Amino acid sequence: GNSVTQMEGPVTLSEEAFLTINCTYTATGYPSLFWYVQYPGEGLQLLLKATKADDKGSNKGFEATYRKETTSFHLEKGSVQVSDSAVYFCALSDSDSWGKLQFGAGTQVVVTP
Amino acid sequence: SQTIHQWPATLVQPVGSPLSLECTVEGTSNPNLYWYRQAAGRGLQLLFYSVGIGQISSEVPQNLSASRPQDRQFILSSKKLLLSDSGFYLCAWSEDRDDQPQHFGDGTRLSIL
Repeated sequence: GNSVTQMEGPVTLSEEAFLTINCTYTATGYPSLFWYVQYPGEGLQLLLKATKADDKGSNKGFEATYRKETTSFHLEKGSVQVSDSAVYFCALSDSDSWGKLQFGAGTQVVVTP
Repeated sequence: SQTIHQWPATLVQPVGSPLSLECTVEGTSNPNLYWYRQAAGRGLQLLFYSVGIGQISSEVPQNLSASRPQDRQFILSSKKLLLSDSGFYLCAWSEDRDDQPQHFGDGTRLSIL
């Protein structure tokens, strides 16, 4: 079956540091890949997506590239801010799955001033 | 533009009482609809999804049920709540395509006493 594996958190870093959150997946078909962000007490917001190999999704300074050869979709940001403190979820949607998402366990990121 | 509304935002219920959480979507037609539960500090568990009126698929056996009486309305119910039903409940919608993201409501924090 499909699965998504994320690095465990919490990840603690200082403002303006470089952030990487690793995400790898297994899928039977040709999945679309997503990163969601969840701020405390809120629902999930779509951060970025990629629908085919070598696509790069980007938003708000975050980037992730769909790497089929390594089955990965790592999230990166060059300079984090305190406001980036949140839980980040990697997810995939496989073909013929009625849009159902398989989520990773989430990675908490804490950015300190 | 499309919007999703979920209510109530918080709910405190005694064990054994009934439950009804409601979710509505505006600005789209025939969306796929989803109910998730998120236990404290953990990832998301898909409870139910629906691809059309009256069509409900359950992902896990549980004390809860779902209904879709109208195209853009999704209801999560229980006849008798258990302590283990506590959690953060999220409703989401997506277009009926595998490469489209899900869009989440703000969630309902349910506490069972």
